[in-house]
Amino acid sequence: QVQLVQSGAEVKMPGASLKLSCKASGYTFTSFAMHWVRQAPGQSLEWMGRINGGSGNTKYSQNFQDRVTLTWDTSAKIAYMELSSLGSGDTAIYFCARALSMTVVALPGHWGQGTLVTVSS
Amino acid sequence: DIQMTQSPSTLSASIGDRVTITCRASQNINIWLAWFQQKPGKAPELLVYMASTLQSGVPSRFSGSGSGTEFTLTINSLRPDDFATYYCQQYLSHHVTFGQGTTLEIK
Repeated sequence: QVQLVQSGAEVKMPGASLKLSCKASGYTFTSFAMHWVRQAPGQSLEWMGRINGGSGNTKYSQNFQDRVTLTWDTSAKIAYMELSSLGSGDTAIYFCARALSMTVVALPGHWGQGTLVTVSS
Repeated sequence: DIQMTQSPSTLSASIGDRVTITCRASQNINIWLAWFQQKPGKAPELLVYMASTLQSGVPSRFSGSGSGTEFTLTINSLRPDDFATYYCQQYLSHHVTFGQGTTLEIK
C-alpha cells in the first residue's frame, strides 16, 4: 500500500533554510505527482506546490514562488521540499501528499504523517 | 485564487445524528471538489472526491453532493469516530485551495 514517511521535527532560526524529505513506498514513485501542503497551528491547510510525475516539472503557489523548491531523488524514492528565508510565520506542520491518481494530479490523495517545523530565535 | 468558504465553522451534534456541512466556491469548479477528515495530530484523510465519489474504504454513511459553486458533505448516523475537523478542497485550478474547516463536536 502507499506509504509516505517524512523526516523528523526541526527547529530553525529566522532567516535560515529548511529541507524536508518524504520517502515513498508501495507504488511506482515517478508515475505520480507529489504535493506539499502546510498547516500552521490551529489553521487550515495551505498548498505549497507539487512536482509532477514523469517529467518532474514543478508548480508552485504564488505565496511561496520565490522561496520554495521541490525536487526528488528517483532512485531513492524520496521527495524533498526546500524553503528559504524562514520567518515565524513558517512555523507549521508540513505534509507531503501523493496525487490520488496518475490522471487526477491536482488532488493530494495519500498523505505523509507530517513534519513539525518551528521557527524561533 | 479560488476561495473556498465552509459553514458552519463549528457544529455540535450527538451520536446517531445526521449532519451536513456546506462548502461554497468563489467561482464555478464543476465537480472538482474533495472532502477531507482530520483528527488532532494526524494527517488529513481523503473522504470524497469529484464531489460525490467515496474514496475506497470510507463508510457509506458519508456522502457528498453538489456542483458548480455549492457543495455539501453529509454524515448519517454519527459515530464517535466521526468527531473531527472536515475540510473541502477544490482542484479545478492547479493551485488547490482549502476551506477554513468545520469542527464537528460532540454535543
